[in-house]
Amino acid sequence: SALTQPPSASGSPGQSVTISCTGTSSDVGAYNFVSWYQQHPGKAPTLLIYDVNERPSGIPDRFSGSKSGNTASLTVSGLQADDEAVYYCHSYAGSDTLVFGGGTKLTVL
Amino acid sequence: DVQVVESGGGLVQPGGSLRLSCTVSGVVFSSYWIHWVRQAPGKGLVWVSSINSDETITTYVDPVRGRFTMSRDNAKNTVHLQMDSLRADDSAVYYCARGDHYVWGKVAYWGQGTQVTVAS
Repeated sequence: SALTQPPSASGSPGQSVTISCTGTSSDVGAYNFVSWYQQHPGKAPTLLIYDVNERPSGIPDRFSGSKSGNTASLTVSGLQADDEAVYYCHSYAGSDTLVFGGGTKLTVL
Repeated sequence: DVQVVESGGGLVQPGGSLRLSCTVSGVVFSSYWIHWVRQAPGKGLVWVSSINSDETITTYVDPVRGRFTMSRDNAKNTVHLQMDSLRADDSAVYYCARGDHYVWGKVAYWGQGTQVTVAS
């Protein structure tokens, strides 16, 4: 079943916000293969973080990832207006399957 | 640059079939896993299916297993998603995404999606 994310999060420009993603010992807890995506309305997702804490080229270091046990986290530092979007976590779930979180809408106040 | 382009979406009646295609350019296509992810209106992303580089492994999310079939043609840099016995809850934007050399690898390249609507 889907990973659990809070439906919403918010922060003011310049602040930091952390979004959690809770899975189980069969997915998030079992593998260091957690990714995070950003999706703006009407657009395709963009990869922000992979392998828990790795950033693809071109992604600013304001975005960082971590994991503890069955819960992964995405931290967005120095919030900017354009960070307002929906963020999804994603994990390998074994047996060549993948699972997404339900998504968290980030509002920049 | 890597480009991912989906096609084949449209309106289909419940119980009908549709075949989605996805072409990936700008990369050695045959080395990578390819994934399909869908998003119902106003809802989140849901992993649908994945296929490995030589088509020996295909996996599916439970609600589509037995109804959807993923395949690939490495000579044409194309993957297909054959969708049969379609239901209203299959209605969604379907995204094709290029993965990595392993199923758990990063999924960095996404298409813009193709809309599938199942309705009478």
